[in-house]
Amino acid sequence: AQKITQTQPGMFVQEKEAVTLDCTYDTSDPSYGLFWYKQPSSGEMIFLIYQGSYDQQNATEGRYSLNFQKARKSANLVISASQLGDSAMYFCAMRETYTGANSKLTFGKGITLSVRP
Amino acid sequence: EPEVTQTPSHQVTQMGQEVILRCVPISNHLYFYWYRQILGQKVEFLVSFYNNEISEKSEIFDDQFSVERPDGSNFTLKIRSTKLEDSAMYFCASNKGGTLFLNEKLFFGSGTQLSVL
Repeated sequence: AQKITQTQPGMFVQEKEAVTLDCTYDTSDPSYGLFWYKQPSSGEMIFLIYQGSYDQQNATEGRYSLNFQKARKSANLVISASQLGDSAMYFCAMRETYTGANSKLTFGKGITLSVRP
Repeated sequence: EPEVTQTPSHQVTQMGQEVILRCVPISNHLYFYWYRQILGQKVEFLVSFYNNEISEKSEIFDDQFSVERPDGSNFTLKIRSTKLEDSAMYFCASNKGGTLFLNEKLFFGSGTQLSVL
């Protein structure tokens, strides 16, 4: 089974509107972390936001927030007030602890977001 | 902010040739990783490295691949005999390690685009 599932086709949003990018995950590890990275056309991987499995509140970082629904195993990224510079590929990733505290991140396939002016 | 540096940014090679991709992780980081991304696809884990040995490797990381930390700053990925399907963007990443914190993000380099002809 896929560890991280991102099934949305390319997403489009109007500038200044909010958009939600979906991510579901699969793990039997009780302790895990979820990350979102942004990859613009230039190719670099930019960290956006983190959510821990035991965090009581949804994570927020500026215009980014995470809609974390543990029972549904989903960790959707919400971008508010979209800007043209938000056009990029967005990856959801998970760290499980079963191989140790500094185990790898496992990434989903990514979602392409295009912001329209 | 300190960053992970990768060289070269682009590498073109003939099938069957050996290539070495170079990375300089952030200086106080202890855990190093290589990932690859075939064009338009997800970011795939190759290998993690700590204390001068491989911590974990994926099924992609076969005998054609090797990693080395030849000195106190560089971290290299060698592909002994390149194949067409090795064409991808290769990302180096690092993190501090030595903690039990799940939220420790990976810092990625800008990647090396490898083209095997």
